[in-house]
Amino acid sequence: AQSVAQPEDQVNVAEGNPLTVKCTYSVSGNPYLFWYVQYPNRGLQFLLKYITGDNLVKGSYGFEAEFNKSQTSFHLKKPSALVSDSALYFCAVRENTGTASKLTFGTGTRLQVTL
Amino acid sequence: AAGVIQSPRHLIKEKRETATLKCYPIPRHDTVYWYQQGPGQDPQFLISFYEKMQSDKGSIPDRFSAQQFSDYHSELNMSSLELGDSALYFCASSTGLPSSYEQYFGPGTRLTVT
Repeated sequence: AQSVAQPEDQVNVAEGNPLTVKCTYSVSGNPYLFWYVQYPNRGLQFLLKYITGDNLVKGSYGFEAEFNKSQTSFHLKKPSALVSDSALYFCAVRENTGTASKLTFGTGTRLQVTL
Repeated sequence: AAGVIQSPRHLIKEKRETATLKCYPIPRHDTVYWYQQGPGQDPQFLISFYEKMQSDKGSIPDRFSAQQFSDYHSELNMSSLELGDSALYFCASSTGLPSSYEQYFGPGTRLTVT
């Protein structure tokens, strides 16, 4: 079974500093990886994905992620954090078994950005 | 841009009652997914449909059933509700194109079973 792991329950960063939210994956075959963000009492918002191609993927709201095959990682990054980035972030992997294959999520990392 | 619509947004039921959750995917999306998110947990996949046919099945209890209709909307039917069914239920939609494998999530239905 495919899985992702988010080793940090919470990440704290000061506004204006760079942020990294970590994710490692375990898949058979080529990984399809995603990052989602969830604000309180809201649905999950798609940030970015890695399917194939460049290892550095750019997404919404200034976020980017670096795919590293040798380290089986897909860390989410942003050069300069904003207080409004404070939310719950989920890494996810797509099962490659069909057209409507499920996403398997990590346990989530709460990002807290302070002034 | 149009998003995934879920109704109702909040639902309170008693044990052993039934509930029906509805999902309207983004226009031209032919694939619908249902997820359950318990308090403080990550979303867990329940079931998915592609072109009105069940495609993938996860940890969905036998008390739950779902279908996708000709207009691509989907309904999740939950019977004999238990306290443990209290959760946030998300619907997501996508196209079947490999280049668009990202799923777009609705705002969720918060189900409370008392």
